[in-house]
Amino acid sequence: NAGVTQTPKFQVLKTGQSMTLQCAQDMNHEYMSWYRQDPGMGLRLIHYSVGAGITDQGEVPNGYNVSRSTTEDFPLRLLSAAPSQTSVYFCASSFRGSQYFGPGTRLLVL
Amino acid sequence: SQQGEEDPQALSIQEGENATMNCSYKTSINNLQWYRQNSGRGLVHLILIRSNEREKHSGRLRVTLDTSKKSSSLLITASRAADTASYFCATHSGSARQLTFGSGTQLTVLP
Repeated sequence: NAGVTQTPKFQVLKTGQSMTLQCAQDMNHEYMSWYRQDPGMGLRLIHYSVGAGITDQGEVPNGYNVSRSTTEDFPLRLLSAAPSQTSVYFCASSFRGSQYFGPGTRLLVL
Repeated sequence: SQQGEEDPQALSIQEGENATMNCSYKTSINNLQWYRQNSGRGLVHLILIRSNEREKHSGRLRVTLDTSKKSSSLLITASRAADTASYFCATHSGSARQLTFGSGTQLTVLP
């Protein structure tokens, strides 16, 4: 199994640009989530999904959209990037209470 | 808001020594988990302790949970340079399945 994969690994955007961070898992986990990690802040939950077709907001959802059309994929969309969204983004899937994280996407918004 | 808060924020020890990190949280939990993150990498799940458990072992790791004090500790025995990483506690509360993470403890093990 590849586990949780994320693309791209690095991305530079200009303010106002849009992009989609991809996340996929091949473990058939129902639960998936997106976090952002900022220095000294730990991980903060952006959005999560308990299954295909179901999504909900986390702690810091503003500026981000998600969808879950399949069990495997959980993309995160930035509609109009802002410098405050410069961060490292982690996708995770969950099974029996434990989370499995992807390697992360480093995003820089200029 | 963050549920778990780790203490200390940074810890530096010599190889072979034991490392102890603490986590405090605010609300009732279903379970508490510890994760490791090596520099520039994603998080790796280490251990999960349920609210009805008081102590759990996994290799050189020992986790305790005191629900009356709303605190947990992670002990790494006989530390190695490869244990150098950031360690995060995360709490799982209520019926929702999301985790709330603390800000982490940066552990440096000197050879």
